[in-house]
Amino acid sequence: SQQGEEDPQALSIQEGENATMNCSYKTSINNLQWYRQNSGRGLVHLILIRSNEREKHSGRLRVTLDTSKKSSSLLITASRAADTASYFCATASPVTQGGSEKLVFGKGTKLTVNP
Amino acid sequence: NAGVTQTPKFQVLKTGQSMTLQCAQDMNHEYMSWYRQDPGMGLRLIHYSVGAGITDQGEVPNGYNVSRSTTEDFPLRLLSAAPSQTSVYFCASRSGQGYEQYFGPGTRLTVT
Repeated sequence: SQQGEEDPQALSIQEGENATMNCSYKTSINNLQWYRQNSGRGLVHLILIRSNEREKHSGRLRVTLDTSKKSSSLLITASRAADTASYFCATASPVTQGGSEKLVFGKGTKLTVNP
Repeated sequence: NAGVTQTPKFQVLKTGQSMTLQCAQDMNHEYMSWYRQDPGMGLRLIHYSVGAGITDQGEVPNGYNVSRSTTEDFPLRLLSAAPSQTSVYFCASRSGQGYEQYFGPGTRLTVT
């Protein structure tokens, strides 16, 4: 079953605007990751935030994590047409006995940046 | 490095046929996984492996088999294809020390 749920499902903005996507999850996590998928391509890792971190930056990306609310947000600043893609959050939960850590993906947010 | 490679890129099968989707990585990663991606469903884990000779089931394993005889290769077998297996299949790998998953370009499978 899906762990992460992204919101909104689709987002359309103008070039230069900021884009914010949210992710909510249900169980405790070790880390949360964001991936990007261009149409017809595989996923590409963007950024990881650990459960003991609250905010992380990478270039124009800013990720926040609120473990008390079980939610994360991805902010893309000064968006460009090339940022048009689907964005997925993925959660890695603590390993159960005999198990191994697995990533569980949400359904994604489709971002369109209009020139 | 080629990263994660998948073949074929596209495949059409008739119901009941079997086939193997190939996945290979040249990064010496211990962990490899197979996902399927369906519209509106995100990615769902089919099977995964934490090293050569070790595999385990994911969220949606029925109808699929895997094996991991080498570190590099992780083929996914469809035993008897069904229309419900029409999907895009992604293979991914990561190292044992890292968390970032590297994805292949995907295989688009249609079962008629």
